[in-house]
Order: sequence, then structure tokens, then C-alpha cells
Amino acid sequence: DAGVIQSPRHEVTEMGQEVTLRCKPISGHDYLFWYRQTMMRGLELLIYFNNNVPIDDSGMPEDRFSAKMPNASFSTLKIQPSEPRDSAVYFCASSFRTSGGYEQYFGPGTRLTVT
Amino acid sequence: RKEVEQDPGPFNVPEGATVAFNCTYSNSASQSFFWYRQDCRKEPKLLMSVYSSGNEDGRFTAQLNRASQYISLLIRDSKLSDSATYLCVVNFIQGAQKLVFGQGTRLTINP
Repeated sequence: DAGVIQSPRHEVTEMGQEVTLRCKPISGHDYLFWYRQTMMRGLELLIYFNNNVPIDDSGMPEDRFSAKMPNASFSTLKIQPSEPRDSAVYFCASSFRTSGGYEQYFGPGTRLTVT
Repeated sequence: RKEVEQDPGPFNVPEGATVAFNCTYSNSASQSFFWYRQDCRKEPKLLMSVYSSGNEDGRFTAQLNRASQYISLLIRDSKLSDSATYLCVVNFIQGAQKLVFGQGTRLTINP
């Protein structure tokens, strides 16, 4: 079975450019999460969706960041304009609720470098 | 104070040794607890959930102490393949899926 798919896997861009990260969750999962991981701050939740609706975006650092989920199989995280401090690994994860609880499945991540 | 705190390590132990990690959390109303494992330059993966009564999965034992607000992970008979970063994870809100991750504890098993 295909896991969570993210693209691109690596992105190098210059400060001020727009960056779009993409995610395809596992089919049937109704929750989708965007995380950012850095050495200094660890793994931080940016935003999560339930049934394509944003539930909590309190982790989005500022207005330069936006996320959308137009349908159950696709989500984007956009940074415009990008800054060097946005350099990090961005993970997408998905999950579904079962009687035993839930497990979040992470994609391989997008390693973003802003120069 | 961080919401979830872990000793970052690194822990370097010989193969076959027993190693234990602790993690503390700030919110006494926390509902669910997990240990995730992250290999170098890979994504985090669920290792095990942590139940109130404590639980075991093979060589791994997880325990929860609600009164003191800490979680532990014990690895017995450690293998080289156990080398990874172990992330303590807490769900603060019942019914919500918002997880808070600790910074992780880095473990290296030496031959």
C-alpha cells in the first residue's frame, strides 16, 4: 500500500520566492497534518485538517504560510515569500480514528533550504 | 517550560544492554501518550502507545505515571537496529488529534 506521498523531496530556493509543498494522504484517512522539524525547535504541528476542513492552524508561524486541502487526496502548504529561517524539513501526516485510537502516518518529508 | 520534555542524550550503550528514557509533560489533563521512533533523515514512526497500566511489546516496555506526569520507555537486550531518536508524544486534548512532540532522545547502540 502506498503511504503518505510528499513532493518535492528536496527544494532549494532563494529568499523571497514562493514555495509550494504537496501531500497526498493515505486513502481513507480523514485527518491530515502538516509539521515542521528543525534542530532548534524539534517537530512542530503547523496545521491540521479533518475531512478537508482546517481544524487548528494555531501553529502556522505567520501570514506567509498558508495551507489548503481542496479534496480528500491532496493538500498544499505554501510559503510566500520564503525566508532563510523557513529552512526545515516539512512533514505531512495522515490518520484515521479507530476503536483502538489512532496512529499518525508520516510522509518522507520535504527538505526545504532557503538561501 | 516546554510542554513535553526529554533528555536529548545522546545515549551510547553497548549491544545487549538495557536502556531507559524518561519524558515529562506539563498538562495534567493530557489524554494519550505515545513513543515514536525516528531514524536519521527519515520520518517519525509510531513505536508504541502508552497505557495507564503500562504495556510491553517484545523488548520494549512503556510506563505512565500520571501523578508525576512522566512517561518512560525501557529497551531490553538492545540491538544495533535500535539506534534512532525516540520521540515522546502527548495528546493534550481528548477527542482531538493534536499531538505535541518532545525534542527526542538520541540513542546509539554500539557493537
